[in-house]
Amino acid sequence: EIVLTQSPGTLSLSPGERATLSCRASQSVSSSSFAWYQQKPGQAPRLLIYATSNRATGIPDRFGGSGSGTDFTLAISRLDPEDFAMYYCHHYGSPRTFGQGTKVEVK
Amino acid sequence: QVQLVQSGTELKNPGASVKISCQASGYIFTTYGFDWVRQAPGQGLEWMGWISAYNGNTKYAQRFQGRVTMTTDTSTSAGYMELRSLGSDDTAVYYCAHLDPNNRIDYWGQGTLVIVSS
Repeated sequence: EIVLTQSPGTLSLSPGERATLSCRASQSVSSSSFAWYQQKPGQAPRLLIYATSNRATGIPDRFGGSGSGTDFTLAISRLDPEDFAMYYCHHYGSPRTFGQGTKVEVK
Repeated sequence: QVQLVQSGTELKNPGASVKISCQASGYIFTTYGFDWVRQAPGQGLEWMGWISAYNGNTKYAQRFQGRVTMTTDTSTSAGYMELRSLGSDDTAVYYCAHLDPNNRIDYWGQGTLVIVSS
């Protein structure tokens, strides 16, 4: 079983600031099977990044993903008010699993 | 446009079973598969399993093995997830999710709330 551990649990930032979210896998995973999702209260998750660094359709370029092996990062260059939400990393290889989430909240 | 519409809220007693439906539209149903993912109140996302809409092959997360069954009905373009022997810790929103050709989730159903309480 692959365990994804996200850090920090909560990130308190102001609009316009840069956010850096981390996800560490318990064993090396394929970069082609790694994604990030955003979830707002009462909504289903939305795909942001797939294959580590590719933005999904309609995702603004302030979102960027990077990483390899066991360490992956989601960066939001300048936080927009609509970016304050939960973020989950996801390995969609076998076995599939999610991280426990990072909350990006307004400072 | 892919759409997944799930069945409504369920209230179940401990020990009972629940079967949730996921009605798909906007694409050729047998082309791709489904994931089922759940989210307990205030908690993160938990992958439960996968089913191929092409041939019905399944893969379940180990913790649900023996307690979950995922099926599809190609005649109606619907997916189903049955969870048995419910306990209070099964209270959650359950999502079906459409997989693209690279096996990543690109569309989600609206979620079905299952409440397990006596």
